[in-house]
Amino acid sequence: AQSVTQLDSHVSVSEGTPVLLRCNYSSSYSPSLFWYVQHPNKGLQLLLKYTSAATLVKGINGFEAEFKKSETSFHLTKPSAHMSDAAEYFCVVSGKGNNLFFGTGTRLTVIP
Amino acid sequence: GAVVSQHPSRVICKSGTSVKIECRSLDFQATTMFWYRQFPKQSLMLMATSNEGSKATYEQGVEKDKFLINHASLTLSTLTVTSAHPEDSSFYICSARDPRTTYYNEQFFGPGTRLTVL
Repeated sequence: AQSVTQLDSHVSVSEGTPVLLRCNYSSSYSPSLFWYVQHPNKGLQLLLKYTSAATLVKGINGFEAEFKKSETSFHLTKPSAHMSDAAEYFCVVSGKGNNLFFGTGTRLTVIP
Repeated sequence: GAVVSQHPSRVICKSGTSVKIECRSLDFQATTMFWYRQFPKQSLMLMATSNEGSKATYEQGVEKDKFLINHASLTLSTLTVTSAHPEDSSFYICSARDPRTTYYNEQFFGPGTRLTVL
């Protein structure tokens, strides 16, 4: 079975400081992992994906995530937060089959 | 990249009426589309998987007679909320798999439809 745990429901950072959004997963199979971002009343936009290639994955807008099998983690980071990064972030796991399993989301607030 | 659209983006209706939401893959053919529901400040919950030319597969607890799904072509899936009630008010999001990226199980999401039932 697949599941995702996002450890923080809300993260607040100052503009220009690093961002860390934590995600742990559970999967019976070799997983594919994704991070999506959702701005208010908008659909989901893919930030990055891990598909068993390089463990350090670079995405759009300066985000990256590192797949750590030993820790079953896929934390999302960004060196310097921008005001436009304020949004809801979802960690998602996919195993065998079509379904995606969503975490409960982390709301990122960026303080000017 | 693959683009998915939804129409309408926002709909307000009276209790007891039916509402149809369209999901289209604009630049690829999608044999499989998905319908999600998102309550305020919550995550996405998969409602059903829509397969072109066959019946949709509903998740446990989702009423198939209330949420009618039709996937009549490779680029269009529709969700009809029948006899809508205020508790059906929610944000409905569709997604589609692009067969060109099947291996990665990636889904491409539409912008969502905000349904408000008065």
